[in-house]
Amino acid sequence: AQKVTQAQTEISVVEKEDVTLDCVYETRDTTYYLFWYKQPPSGELVFLIRRNSFDEQNEISGRYSWNFQKSTSSFNFTITASQVVDSAVYFCALSDTSNSGYALNFGKGTSLLVTP
Amino acid sequence: EAGVAQSPRYKIIEKRQSVAFWCNPISGHATLYWYQQILGQGPKLLIQFQNNGVVDDSQLPKDRFSAERLKGVDSTLKIQPAKLEDSAVYLCASSQTSGGPSSYNEQFFGPGTRLTVL
Repeated sequence: AQKVTQAQTEISVVEKEDVTLDCVYETRDTTYYLFWYKQPPSGELVFLIRRNSFDEQNEISGRYSWNFQKSTSSFNFTITASQVVDSAVYFCALSDTSNSGYALNFGKGTSLLVTP
Repeated sequence: EAGVAQSPRYKIIEKRQSVAFWCNPISGHATLYWYQQILGQGPKLLIQFQNNGVVDDSQLPKDRFSAERLKGVDSTLKIQPAKLEDSAVYLCASSQTSGGPSSYNEQFFGPGTRLTVL
């Protein structure tokens, strides 16, 4: 069973639009960690945020914000006033005891294209 | 601080040939991961080391893939013989230690090695 589902394969927006990337996860653990990574065309994975399961506070960092809701097992990511440089593939990931070393289980990613 | 280094960045081989990838983690990081990222998918863990011991290799195709981290620092991932479906980006990551229920150590990723098997 897929542990992290990113239902949106591709999203295209015009610059300055707001966009939300959805992430739904599945775990039996009470303690787990959720992440968002950005993968620009260069290919390197860039860490954006980590959330542990006990911290449901939403977070805002500049134009980025994250909404963590345990009741719906979702960890959604919103970019406000999108810019062309935001174009990338975004991955949501889960770390729990399914890997003995707490390695990351990634979703399939959402490709975001921001056009001028 | 230097990041995770990987080489080569690109490799093209014929099927049934062998290939090896090298990773140098961030200095002092005890945990090293190899992930395989097939085009259009998220990275998938192949193997995780803690120092020079294997923590998790449950998703490593052991009939053709092998990995080692002899001195607890650099690591090598080998494929022999390669198949067409091995075409992917191989990502190495490192963290200070493995995660656990009370804490999590951020993983830092290298630039990856893009393998094309013809």
